[in-house]
Amino acid sequence: DGGITQSPKYLFRKEGQNVTLSCEQNLNHDAMYWYRQDPGQGLRLIYYSQIVNDFQKGDIAEGYSVSREKKESFPLTVTSAQKNPTAFYLCASSIGSGETQYFGPGTRLLVL
Amino acid sequence: AQSVSQHNHHVILSEAASLELGCNYSYGGTVNLFWYVQYPGQHLQLLLKYFSGDPLVKGIKGFEAEFIKSKFSFNLRKPSVQWSDTAEYFCAVTRRGAAGNKLTFGGGTRVLVKP
Repeated sequence: DGGITQSPKYLFRKEGQNVTLSCEQNLNHDAMYWYRQDPGQGLRLIYYSQIVNDFQKGDIAEGYSVSREKKESFPLTVTSAQKNPTAFYLCASSIGSGETQYFGPGTRLLVL
Repeated sequence: AQSVSQHNHHVILSEAASLELGCNYSYGGTVNLFWYVQYPGQHLQLLLKYFSGDPLVKGIKGFEAEFIKSKFSFNLRKPSVQWSDTAEYFCAVTRRGAAGNKLTFGGGTRVLVKP
């Protein structure tokens, strides 16, 4: 069953803590993306990766970091530098640049 | 920088009514256009897309959208909605040939269909 999986579904972060959100795809897609969704603001791009071992900052990269060591995996770390981390985080992938992006189910991050 | 505007934040209508959601973008070059839908508790999924060719595109579940280049618009329509169309709808644009295939999303429109 092909698709994009994200875990966990809900994540709680304490002040000063780094947390990592998982994104895995078995679609053999080259490109992967992380978006943040806030009410009334649509989705905003955090980071994207067009190929393994390469990634670029999106519009709101401050306070986040990523890695792309494997084609199927693109984890996102929300660092303590991100002052307003409460949001819904969506991972997406596409077969290549310019192609349709497909989305995972999302992770909701809450700050304790 | 490119931007995408969705004119209505919330739309409430009754079953069998017609639906039209507006979407305008700011970029003047060649674009790829998308409408995504997010049903309650479900993944964001693709409704339809326009890359080239016939500017009237048909998507899933009876939705269609028309690309009007002169108006920088890509409005979504459905002639007769059902209760199951209750969802949030997002218009998105990417510049063709731009590095990274960056999708710019509109703010979304929440649609509530009353039974």
